[in-house]
Amino acid sequence: QTVVTQEPSLTVSPGGTVTLTCASSTGAVTSGYYPNWFQQKPGQAPRALIYSTINKHSWTPARFSGSLLGGKAALTLSGVQPEDEAEYYCLLYYGGAQLIFGGGTKLTVL
Amino acid sequence: EVQLVQSGAEVKKPGESLKISCNGSGYSFTTYWIGWVRQMPGKGLEWMGIIYPGDSDTRYSPSFQGQVTISADKSISTAYLQWSSLKASDTAMYYCVRRTTVTTFDYWGQGTLVTVSS
Repeated sequence: QTVVTQEPSLTVSPGGTVTLTCASSTGAVTSGYYPNWFQQKPGQAPRALIYSTINKHSWTPARFSGSLLGGKAALTLSGVQPEDEAEYYCLLYYGGAQLIFGGGTKLTVL
Repeated sequence: EVQLVQSGAEVKKPGESLKISCNGSGYSFTTYWIGWVRQMPGKGLEWMGIIYPGDSDTRYSPSFQGQVTISADKSISTAYLQWSSLKASDTAMYYCVRRTTVTTFDYWGQGTLVTVSS
């Protein structure tokens, strides 16, 4: 059974930079997994941030960026704002209809 | 404006059936896939499956195959998720999400909370 792993929790200071990662139990994550990233705040539906590794939606703040880093998909927040405190999920595509979410990273801004 | 509006919260007993809905507006409903995602209380997101309303082509995650049925009625721009016999473990928030390409997801519904309890 394929597992997608994210850091359970991270803490960052306001104005700082933080990188969240997304690993696959099948091996290195490449652009062919088309990583998507989503943000979810308590009591709200998820919101799409990044698709196909690096692409932003029209509503995605400029401080969010996606990349591949050391065999993982990565989401970097630069100049973190208090409102960025949330749970972040990655989603990887494994072909056909198979998509798997990571377990989520709880980001605390402190 | 693209919107996915889901039906309201449900409280059911084990063994009962249920069908929840996701109505799409502001775009051509028949030309975008609609996926369903489960979030159990205090847990992460789980991919359930997806449907193409244009021809009702449906794909399920192996974990949910046979457990739920995904359908759509393109005449009213609505996708559905249904259970024939609910279990307490089906208690969760369920979200619909639009897929624009095979690998791109954008708009989400607000979620439907399903509570199954005797």
